[in-house]
Amino acid sequence: NAGVMQNPRHLVRRRGQEARLRCSPMKGHSHVYWYRQLPEEGLKFMVYLQKENIIDESGMPKERFSAEFPKEGPSILRIQQVVRGDSAAYFCASSSGAGDTQYFGPGTRLTVL
Amino acid sequence: QKEVEQDPGPLSVPEGAIVSLNCTYSNSAFQYFMWYRQYSRKGPELLMYTYSSGNKEDGRFTAQVDKSSKYISLFIRDSQPSDSATYLCAIRGGTASKLTFGTGTRLQVTL
Repeated sequence: NAGVMQNPRHLVRRRGQEARLRCSPMKGHSHVYWYRQLPEEGLKFMVYLQKENIIDESGMPKERFSAEFPKEGPSILRIQQVVRGDSAAYFCASSSGAGDTQYFGPGTRLTVL
Repeated sequence: QKEVEQDPGPLSVPEGAIVSLNCTYSNSAFQYFMWYRQYSRKGPELLMYTYSSGNKEDGRFTAQVDKSSKYISLFIRDSQPSDSATYLCAIRGGTASKLTFGTGTRLQVTL
């Protein structure tokens, strides 16, 4: 009964490179959420997706960030041309339906050199 | 003004103490209230989920919601060193799915 899985757990990128973060939701869950946690700050909502659809991207930066949740495979959060300010812990959560309890993964810690 | 305010602490208490953690919020549209526990370098883990004003108890944990004051609390009885973690309040509106989090309160329970 695996929970939410995220990989990699740690990712190091140099400025200007691309970062790809993956999230596999809990079995039976088709709703995925991405949150970012900056040092000494709480979690900030980024984007909410269902299979093949972006439902709410109100928390996504306008540039360089994108997310997808294809019909098959994990959800991907993609950050292009990373900058030092992108260094943070990125958490994925999943739920069985809209408004249902969100269960979080262990996070991916991105460090931009 | 932040939508959810939470004292970051740190809060240090001796083992066995009663701990009180609090959040205030500004938007009366918020209807669902959660407390998550986050150990260092781990993902948040759901502790309590409440909808209405009043108290909800689960073991040593009691969640309290006062919608008229826009104030939520988490009480931990007989605190243990294993309770040492960051506690995050999270709030959701009626139709929205996204969670709005407080900054978290870091709790240290000492022997």
